[in-house]
Amino acid sequence: KAGVTQTPRYLIKTRGQQVTLSCSPISGHRSVSWYQQTPGQGLQFLFEYFSETQRNKGNFPGRFSGRQFSNSRSEMNVSTLELGDSALYLCASSSGTVIEKLFFGSGTQLSVL
Amino acid sequence: AQSVTQLDSQVPVFEEAPVELRCNYSSSVSVYLFWYVQYPNQGLQLLLKYLSGSTLVKGINGFEAEFNKSQTSFHLRKPSVHISDTAEYFCAVMPVRGAQKLVFGQGTRLTINP
Repeated sequence: KAGVTQTPRYLIKTRGQQVTLSCSPISGHRSVSWYQQTPGQGLQFLFEYFSETQRNKGNFPGRFSGRQFSNSRSEMNVSTLELGDSALYLCASSSGTVIEKLFFGSGTQLSVL
Repeated sequence: AQSVTQLDSQVPVFEEAPVELRCNYSSSVSVYLFWYVQYPNQGLQLLLKYLSGSTLVKGINGFEAEFNKSQTSFHLRKPSVHISDTAEYFCAVMPVRGAQKLVFGQGTRLTINP
């Protein structure tokens, strides 16, 4: 079974631009969660999608948004990038019912210049 | 709300020595507890988890952790470490009911010296 796939692996953007990150969950998984990892703030929960609906949301500004498609693939969008958005963005998938079994992807490293 | 404190940001040990990585948590509701490992340039891999039952939990790669409810701790141990255990380790909690999200500690960087 393929694992959680995140693309692209690396991204370089400049301030003010927007970016879209993609996550393909494990086949059969209906829940996708996103986390931001920075040296200063550590790992922080962004949001979770289940069956195309946002089920939970963390404390991030509205510039951070996401969506989930009918095939459970998810995208995360960050608009008007700031330097502080530089981070490793991790996606995790689960069945959605046995939520404690989370499987993480390798992440997308975003650098904002 | 939940919070997790990992008491050591860095832990250096010699190969084949025992190690303990400390984790304390705070929560007003019941939580599940987890330890994850992150190798360089990779995502998170689950080492072990405590859901209920026996307070001593065994995980992968020879790691184990003990849940102590009175001390709200979930320390990770390994009796003999290897060079390949060099990584960052994260303790996390998730509420049993309510928003199903992981709250992580700041991480402990484990360095194994030969």
